Amino acid sequence: NAGVTQTPKFQVLKTGQSMTLQCAQDMNHEYMSWYRQDPGMGLRLIHYSVGAGITDQGEVPNGYNVSRSTTEDFPLRLLSAAPSQTSVYFCASSLLFQGTGNTIYFGEGSWLTVV
Amino acid sequence: DQQVKQNSPSLSVQEGRISILNCDYTNSMFDYFLWYKKYPAEGPTFLISISSIKDKNEDGRFTVFLNKSAKHLSLHIVPSQPGDSAVYFCAASSSGAQKLVFGQGTRLTINP
Repeated sequence: NAGVTQTPKFQVLKTGQSMTLQCAQDMNHEYMSWYRQDPGMGLRLIHYSVGAGITDQGEVPNGYNVSRSTTEDFPLRLLSAAPSQTSVYFCASSLLFQGTGNTIYFGEGSWLTVV
Repeated sequence: DQQVKQNSPSLSVQEGRISILNCDYTNSMFDYFLWYKKYPAEGPTFLISISSIKDKNEDGRFTVFLNKSAKHLSLHIVPSQPGDSAVYFCAASSSGAQKLVFGQGTRLTINP
C-alpha cells in the first residue's frame, strides 16, 4: 500500500513564486490535512478537509490555498512564496474523527526552502 | 495560544532504563490523546493513544497515562532501546472537531 504520497520531496523557491505541493492517499480516507513543522513549534495545522468539496482553515492558513476535488487528492498551493514559508510540510489522512477520535497517517514530508 | 505543550525539548536516557515523556494540555474539551514518533527525514508515525474515559493504556513497552484533573499525560517506555531515539509528539482532539492539535515535540536520545 502506498498510503499517503507527497511530491515533491524537496523544493527551492524564490520569493514571490507560486507552487503546489501534491498529496494523494489510497486508503479512501475522508479526512485530509496539511501540517507544517518548524523548530520549537511542533506540527501546526494549515488546512484540512472532511470530504470532496469541503475544506476549512487550521491554525496557520495565511498564504496557502487548498482544494479537494476528489477523495484521493488534496493539493496545497503557495500563492506567493515568502521566506517565512520555509518549512517541512506534511500531508496526513484518516477516517473522519468519530466519538473517541481516530489515528491520522502522515506522508513522508516535503522540504521547502524559500530564498 | 499553545493548547498542547511539551515543555521538555529534549531528554537523554540510558539504554535499558525507563523513558518518561510528558505533555500538558489546556483545552478541557480534548477527549482523545495520541503519541507520535518521528525519525529524521520521515513522517510521524502513530505510536499509542488513549481515550479520556481511561487513565492508562499499554502496548508492549509503551504505556500512556492520562491525568484528566491535572490535564497531563505521559508516555512511559520501558525498557528503552537505541531504536527509540526519535522526536515524540503528543496530540489531542475533541469529539466533533476534525482537528488534531500537536505539541512542540521532545527529542529522546537513548544512550548505550
